[in-house]
Amino acid sequence: DIQMTQSPSSLSASVGDRVTITCRASQGIRSDLGWYQQKPGKAPKRLIYAASSLQSGVPSRFSGSGSGTEFTLTISSLQPEDFATYYCLQYESHPHTFGQGTKLEIK
Amino acid sequence: QVQLQESGPGLVKPSETLSLNCTVSGYSISSGYYWGWIRQSPGKGLEWIGDIYVGGSTYYNPSHKSRVTISADTSKNQFSLKLSSVTAADTAVYYCARVSTMSGADPWGQGTLVTVSS
Repeated sequence: DIQMTQSPSSLSASVGDRVTITCRASQGIRSDLGWYQQKPGKAPKRLIYAASSLQSGVPSRFSGSGSGTEFTLTISSLQPEDFATYYCLQYESHPHTFGQGTKLEIK
Repeated sequence: QVQLQESGPGLVKPSETLSLNCTVSGYSISSGYYWGWIRQSPGKGLEWIGDIYVGGSTYYNPSHKSRVTISADTSKNQFSLKLSSVTAADTAVYYCARVSTMSGADPWGQGTLVTVSS
């Protein structure tokens, strides 16, 4: 199985801050990676697919980059509604695997 | 607009079999895509259980492979999850999702909480 190592596990930031979350794959996954946002009691919502493609309807302050084994999700200017937990998902091979999650909290 | 909805018992006894259905609307499950199951234990992260391509392959997470069966019923446009010999560790919110080899899992169902308890 491909292991996804996500960091940090938690992050405190303020509205307006720029934040970056990283996922590292245990082997190359091309660009077969997505980023998801989850709020309490809700299903995950896809933000980014194919490492850097923005899901329709998602604000442009969200961006993704990377390929191979290292990927980043960047939020350019945090808004109050962005405080949530974020997960990466590799779908290059079965079984698909998630990162451990990053809980983004208000400072 | 594709929508997925999980259904099934919210309470299952230890050692019994957990059975869930995912009904898909707005898209035929036999027209392509994989269809997957994901779970989230209380306060924990997301875990991929497995997925199925109708008329093709089924893949399972090796962590559960001996206990999991995913199948599809095209007449009802739904796919199902069966997890046998459950324990309290299988208590989780179970999600179903459409899965693309090009773009991952989307959309998702709203999720259903299954509690394993006597």
